[in-house]
Amino acid sequence: QKEVEQDPGPLSVPEGAIVSLNCTYSNSAFQYFMWYRQYSRKGPELLMYTYSSGNKEDGRFTAQVDKSSKYISLFIRDSQPSDSATYLCATLGRSNYKLTFGKGTLLTVNP
Amino acid sequence: DTAVSQTPKYLVTQMGNDKSIKCEQNLGHDTMYWYKQDSKKFLKIMFSYNNKELIINETVPNRFSPKSPDKAHLNLHINSLELGDSAVYFCASSQDPNKETQYFGPGTRLLVL
Repeated sequence: QKEVEQDPGPLSVPEGAIVSLNCTYSNSAFQYFMWYRQYSRKGPELLMYTYSSGNKEDGRFTAQVDKSSKYISLFIRDSQPSDSATYLCATLGRSNYKLTFGKGTLLTVNP
Repeated sequence: DTAVSQTPKYLVTQMGNDKSIKCEQNLGHDTMYWYKQDSKKFLKIMFSYNNKELIINETVPNRFSPKSPDKAHLNLHINSLELGDSAVYFCASSQDPNKETQYFGPGTRLLVL
Protein backbone atom coordinates (compact mmCIF):
# COMPACT_ATOMS: atom_id res chain seq x y z
CA GLN A 1 0.00 0.00 0.00
CA LYS A 2 1.41 3.37 -1.02
CA GLU A 3 1.80 5.88 1.80
CA VAL A 4 -0.34 8.50 0.05
CA GLU A 5 -2.98 7.52 -2.48
CA GLN A 6 -4.54 10.04 -4.84
CA ASP A 7 -6.84 9.52 -7.80
CA PRO A 8 -4.87 10.85 -10.79
CA GLY A 9 -8.00 11.82 -12.71
CA PRO A 10 -8.04 13.63 -15.05
CA LEU A 11 -10.90 15.77 -13.82
CA SER A 12 -12.68 18.16 -16.17
CA VAL A 13 -15.29 20.63 -14.87
CA PRO A 14 -17.10 23.72 -16.19
CA GLU A 15 -16.16 27.13 -14.90
CA GLY A 16 -17.95 27.94 -11.65
CA ALA A 17 -18.19 24.32 -10.50
CA ILE A 18 -17.23 23.12 -7.04
CA VAL A 19 -14.24 20.80 -7.24
CA SER A 20 -13.42 18.12 -4.70
CA LEU A 21 -9.96 16.55 -4.66
CA ASN A 22 -9.15 13.73 -2.27
CA CYS A 23 -6.30 11.68 -0.88
CA THR A 24 -5.89 8.93 1.67
CA TYR A 25 -2.77 8.17 3.65
CA SER A 26 -1.64 5.16 5.63
CA ASN A 27 0.88 6.39 8.21
CA SER A 28 -0.60 7.70 11.45
CA ALA A 29 2.67 9.52 12.18
CA PHE A 30 1.96 12.09 9.50
CA GLN A 31 1.23 15.42 11.13
CA TYR A 32 1.21 18.04 8.39
CA PHE A 33 -1.00 17.82 5.34
CA MET A 34 -0.37 19.97 2.32
CA TRP A 35 -1.78 20.72 -1.08
CA TYR A 36 0.63 21.77 -3.78
CA ARG A 37 -0.42 23.10 -7.18
CA GLN A 38 1.68 22.48 -10.27
CA TYR A 39 1.03 24.29 -13.50
CA SER A 40 2.17 22.66 -16.71
CA ARG A 41 5.96 22.68 -17.09
CA LYS A 42 6.46 24.46 -13.77
CA GLY A 43 7.55 23.43 -10.28
CA PRO A 44 4.97 22.69 -7.58
CA GLU A 45 3.98 25.54 -5.28
CA LEU A 46 2.37 25.28 -1.87
CA LEU A 47 -1.33 26.13 -1.92
CA MET A 48 -2.39 25.31 1.63
CA TYR A 49 -1.39 23.26 4.62
CA THR A 50 -3.16 22.04 7.74
CA TYR A 51 -1.99 20.53 10.96
CA SER A 52 -4.24 17.91 12.57
CA SER A 53 -7.89 17.33 11.81
CA GLY A 54 -10.23 20.08 10.77
CA ASN A 55 -10.82 22.65 8.05
CA LYS A 56 -8.77 25.54 6.80
CA GLU A 57 -10.14 28.10 4.39
CA ASP A 58 -8.28 30.50 2.11
CA GLY A 59 -10.46 32.37 -0.33
CA ARG A 60 -12.07 29.89 -2.70
CA PHE A 61 -9.99 27.01 -1.32
CA THR A 62 -10.80 24.81 1.69
CA ALA A 63 -8.49 22.08 2.95
CA GLN A 64 -9.96 19.41 5.15
CA VAL A 65 -8.25 16.65 7.15
CA ASP A 66 -9.92 13.76 8.93
CA LYS A 67 -7.20 11.95 10.85
CA SER A 68 -9.57 9.26 12.10
CA SER A 69 -10.20 8.06 8.56
CA LYS A 70 -6.81 9.26 7.21
CA TYR A 71 -8.55 11.34 4.55
CA ILE A 72 -7.38 14.64 3.05
CA SER A 73 -9.56 16.84 0.85
CA LEU A 74 -9.27 20.07 -1.08
CA PHE A 75 -12.40 21.92 -2.18
CA ILE A 76 -12.34 24.67 -4.78
CA ARG A 77 -15.40 26.89 -4.99
CA ASP A 78 -16.34 28.87 -8.09
CA SER A 79 -13.57 27.20 -10.06
CA GLN A 80 -11.80 29.30 -12.69
CA PRO A 81 -9.88 28.34 -15.84
CA SER A 82 -6.76 29.63 -14.06
CA ASP A 83 -7.23 26.80 -11.53
CA SER A 84 -6.39 24.29 -14.27
CA ALA A 85 -3.31 22.49 -12.97
CA THR A 86 -2.17 19.30 -11.29
CA TYR A 87 -2.96 19.24 -7.58
CA LEU A 88 -0.67 17.18 -5.36
CA CYS A 89 -1.50 16.25 -1.81
CA ALA A 90 1.46 15.72 0.50
CA THR A 91 2.17 14.71 4.05
CA LEU A 92 5.04 15.38 6.42
CA GLY A 93 5.97 13.35 9.46
CA ARG A 94 7.75 14.83 12.42
CA SER A 95 10.65 12.44 12.55
CA ASN A 96 11.80 11.67 9.02
CA TYR A 97 11.83 15.15 7.39
CA LYS A 98 10.32 13.61 4.28
CA LEU A 99 7.53 15.13 2.23
CA THR A 100 5.51 12.27 0.71
CA PHE A 101 3.42 13.18 -2.30
CA GLY A 102 0.35 11.63 -3.87
CA LYS A 103 0.46 11.07 -7.61
CA GLY A 104 -1.43 14.29 -8.33
CA THR A 105 -4.81 14.97 -9.91
CA LEU A 106 -4.91 16.83 -13.22
CA LEU A 107 -7.76 19.36 -13.14
CA THR A 108 -9.08 21.22 -16.17
CA VAL A 109 -11.63 24.00 -15.69
CA ASN A 110 -13.38 24.75 -18.97
CA PRO A 111 -14.58 28.31 -19.69
CA ASP B 1 15.54 37.44 -8.42
CA THR B 2 14.31 33.86 -8.79
CA ALA B 3 14.05 32.10 -5.42
CA VAL B 4 15.16 28.61 -6.52
CA SER B 5 16.93 28.30 -9.84
CA GLN B 6 18.19 25.28 -11.72
CA THR B 7 20.51 24.83 -14.67
CA PRO B 8 20.15 23.59 -17.25
CA LYS B 9 16.40 23.65 -17.93
CA TYR B 10 16.69 20.99 -20.61
CA LEU B 11 19.23 18.23 -20.98
CA VAL B 12 19.29 15.76 -23.87
CA THR B 13 22.08 13.23 -23.76
CA GLN B 14 23.12 9.74 -24.79
CA MET B 15 23.04 6.63 -22.62
CA GLY B 16 26.25 6.11 -20.74
CA ASN B 17 27.13 9.79 -20.45
CA ASP B 18 27.75 11.64 -17.18
CA LYS B 19 25.87 14.88 -16.51
CA SER B 20 25.35 17.40 -13.71
CA ILE B 21 22.43 19.58 -12.70
CA LYS B 22 22.96 22.65 -10.55
CA CYS B 23 20.60 24.31 -8.09
CA GLU B 24 20.84 27.58 -6.22
CA GLN B 25 18.47 29.24 -3.74
CA ASN B 26 18.58 32.83 -2.57
CA LEU B 27 16.03 32.44 0.23
CA GLY B 28 18.55 31.92 3.00
CA HIS B 29 17.13 28.46 3.68
CA ASP B 30 19.06 25.75 5.51
CA THR B 31 17.56 22.73 3.74
CA MET B 32 17.63 21.72 0.10
CA TYR B 33 16.17 18.75 -1.76
CA TRP B 34 16.29 16.83 -5.02
CA TYR B 35 13.10 15.26 -6.36
CA LYS B 36 12.45 13.13 -9.43
CA GLN B 37 9.13 13.43 -11.28
CA ASP B 38 8.47 10.61 -13.70
CA SER B 39 6.32 10.64 -16.83
CA LYS B 40 3.23 9.92 -14.74
CA LYS B 41 3.89 13.04 -12.67
CA PHE B 42 4.80 11.09 -9.53
CA LEU B 43 7.10 13.27 -7.44
CA LYS B 44 9.56 11.37 -5.27
CA ILE B 45 12.23 12.61 -2.88
CA MET B 46 15.78 11.54 -3.69
CA PHE B 47 18.07 13.47 -1.37
CA SER B 48 18.00 16.24 1.18
CA TYR B 49 20.76 18.33 2.74
CA ASN B 50 20.46 20.41 5.87
CA ASN B 51 23.32 22.84 6.49
CA LYS B 52 25.40 20.89 3.96
CA GLU B 53 24.77 17.60 5.79
CA LEU B 54 22.97 14.75 4.03
CA ILE B 55 19.77 13.93 5.96
CA ILE B 56 17.67 12.07 3.42
CA ASN B 57 19.16 9.48 1.11
CA GLU B 58 16.38 7.47 -0.48
CA THR B 59 16.86 4.22 -2.36
CA VAL B 60 18.49 5.72 -5.41
CA PRO B 61 21.15 4.08 -7.61
CA ASN B 62 24.62 5.11 -6.51
CA ARG B 63 25.12 6.54 -10.00
CA PHE B 64 23.37 9.58 -8.51
CA SER B 65 25.58 11.66 -6.26
CA PRO B 66 24.46 14.91 -4.65
CA LYS B 67 26.89 17.54 -3.48
CA SER B 68 26.28 20.64 -1.40
CA PRO B 69 29.22 23.05 -1.55
CA ASP B 70 27.35 25.52 0.69
CA LYS B 71 23.85 26.05 2.07
CA ALA B 72 22.70 27.92 -1.02
CA HIS B 73 23.76 25.32 -3.56
CA LEU B 74 22.92 21.69 -4.19
CA ASN B 75 24.16 19.87 -7.26
CA LEU B 76 23.27 16.47 -8.65
CA HIS B 77 25.74 14.43 -10.64
CA ILE B 78 24.57 11.40 -12.57
CA ASN B 79 27.03 8.83 -13.92
CA SER B 80 26.43 6.34 -16.71
CA LEU B 81 23.00 7.67 -17.63
CA GLU B 82 20.29 5.12 -18.43
CA LEU B 83 17.04 5.43 -20.37
CA GLY B 84 15.07 5.15 -17.11
CA ASP B 85 16.75 8.27 -15.78
CA SER B 86 14.65 10.35 -18.18
CA ALA B 87 12.43 12.51 -15.98
CA VAL B 88 12.05 16.01 -14.63
CA TYR B 89 14.35 16.71 -11.70
CA PHE B 90 13.23 19.37 -9.24
CA CYS B 91 15.31 21.11 -6.67
CA ALA B 92 13.55 22.57 -3.63
CA SER B 93 14.44 24.37 -0.44
CA SER B 94 12.86 24.99 2.95
CA GLN B 95 13.72 26.99 6.03
CA ASP B 96 14.46 23.81 7.96
CA PRO B 97 13.74 20.07 7.53
CA ASN B 98 10.51 20.22 9.53
CA LYS B 99 8.94 23.02 7.53
CA GLU B 100 5.87 22.08 5.53
CA THR B 101 6.59 24.76 2.93
CA GLN B 102 9.10 23.81 0.30
CA TYR B 103 9.94 26.12 -2.58
CA PHE B 104 10.53 24.35 -5.85
CA GLY B 105 12.69 25.32 -8.77
CA PRO B 106 11.43 25.23 -12.36
CA GLY B 107 12.77 21.74 -12.99
CA THR B 108 15.37 20.21 -15.30
CA ARG B 109 13.94 18.07 -18.07
CA LEU B 110 16.37 15.23 -18.72
CA LEU B 111 15.98 13.03 -21.77
CA VAL B 112 18.33 10.09 -22.19
CA LEU B 113 18.48 8.66 -25.70
